[in-house]
Amino acid sequence: NAGVTQTPKFQVLKTGQSMTLQCAQDMNHEYMSWYRQDPGMGLRLIHYSVGAGITDQGEVPNGYNVSRSTTEDFPLRLLSAAPSQTSVYFCASSGDRDYGYTFGSGTRLTVV
Amino acid sequence: AQSVTQLGSHVSVSEGALVLLRCNYSSSVPPYLFWYVQYPNQGLQLLLKYTTGATLVKGINGFEAEFKKSETSFHLTKPSAHMSDAAEYFCAVSEGRSSASKIIFGSGTRLSIRP
Repeated sequence: NAGVTQTPKFQVLKTGQSMTLQCAQDMNHEYMSWYRQDPGMGLRLIHYSVGAGITDQGEVPNGYNVSRSTTEDFPLRLLSAAPSQTSVYFCASSGDRDYGYTFGSGTRLTVV
Repeated sequence: AQSVTQLGSHVSVSEGALVLLRCNYSSSVPPYLFWYVQYPNQGLQLLLKYTTGATLVKGINGFEAEFKKSETSFHLTKPSAHMSDAAEYFCAVSEGRSSASKIIFGSGTRLSIRP
């Protein structure tokens, strides 16, 4: 099925560990983004990309890195996990003539 | 920068009653506006969007929203609530008028339906 695929769905990390959240889309969308969702705070933009090789920071970029080597993939890297990064992470993509995002099903991350 | 305010973090209505979820945005320039729905343990699904043209926008599941520039509002309504409408609803606004523009989300409104 076409769409946005996120892996893993669940992850528990220890403080200081690093990991990569994977995001892939098969709709040839140019625009991709990462959000985190926390109770009562809606979705906050972490990083986004308007095309392969181009990334930029959103509202809450600290502690996260991204890269966009292909149109399909947009991984999010946590460099040194902290308890404050416990959250649900969503990847989303948008096409050239399609306003509005298609979202992945999310990754629930717990940092202990 | 754009901002979105959703009035009421939790709204409860009876089954069959009118649903009204309120959203106001900050821009003086007509933006693109969206409503998303999130069911428990799922990602967000686009409910409806306003880009240009008719200010009354119809979406999926019987929902509609009206863009009112003078009030900077984009409230979501449904004439008759169903139990299946229980979910969290997010209003969102684009920072620009291209498909590559960042989209800013409100903090969400949880809709509960009473039998």
